Amino acid sequence: DTGVSQDPRHKITKRGQNVTFRCDPISEHNRLYWYRQTLGQGPEFLTYFQNEAQLEKSRLLSDRFSAERPKGSFSTLEIQRTEQGDSAMYLCASSLGTGWAEETQYFGPGTRLLVL
Amino acid sequence: GENVEQHPSTLSVQEGDSAVIKCTYSDSASNYFPWYKQELGKRPQLIIDIRSNVGEKKDQRIAVTLNKTAKHFSLHITETQPEDSAVYFCAASVNDMRFGAGTRLTVKP
Repeated sequence: DTGVSQDPRHKITKRGQNVTFRCDPISEHNRLYWYRQTLGQGPEFLTYFQNEAQLEKSRLLSDRFSAERPKGSFSTLEIQRTEQGDSAMYLCASSLGTGWAEETQYFGPGTRLLVL
Repeated sequence: GENVEQHPSTLSVQEGDSAVIKCTYSDSASNYFPWYKQELGKRPQLIIDIRSNVGEKKDQRIAVTLNKTAKHFSLHITETQPEDSAVYFCAASVNDMRFGAGTRLTVKP
C-alpha cells in the first residue's frame, strides 16, 4: 500500500494519560499535515511540516500537543495529559509541495481517540 | 487566519437531479480550493480542486467554479446517483488548509 498510513487506528485511554500517534506519508511527499476531526465537523488544521521543519502550528493547539518529523519521513503526534475533549479522529495528510503552490493532500485513515 | 463557511449543511435531492454546494472564504491570499468527499467511517477523498488562476473546472459530472472577487466557490454535481451520498467538504489553502463544516448530501433513488 503506497498511501498514507496511520497507527494505531483506534486508541482508548484514560484521562491524564499520554498518547502518541504515528503517520507514514506517501514516500516522495515532502509536506505532512495533522488535522483533528470531530463528529459532524470538517477537519481542523493542527500543524504541518515541510520535510523535518514544523512550519505552522494552529493557535488553537494546546501546549499539551506536540508533533515531530525528525527525519522528514514519518511523523508523530503526542498528546500529554489527555482530556475528554481530546476525543476525536486525528487525521494525517501528505502532499508534494513545490514553492508557493499548494498540491493535493492525501489523507490517511485516521486514528480514532477516545478519552474516558 | 482563513475562515471557510459552507452551505447548506444538509442537502437532499432526487436521483438524476443536480446538487450545488457553496463556500465562502475570508483570506484573499488563498490560492487553492479542493473539494473532498467523505463517506461514513472513511478518510476524506479529493474529488476535484481548482487554483486561483482558473475560474471553472469540470470533471465528468462534477464541476467547480471560483469567483475570486467575491471570495466564493461552488461545487456542482449533475445527474446525481445514490453513490454520491456522502459528506462533502470544501477547503481553502494558503500554506495551510482550512475546511468548511461539511454538507451531508443524500441522493434518494
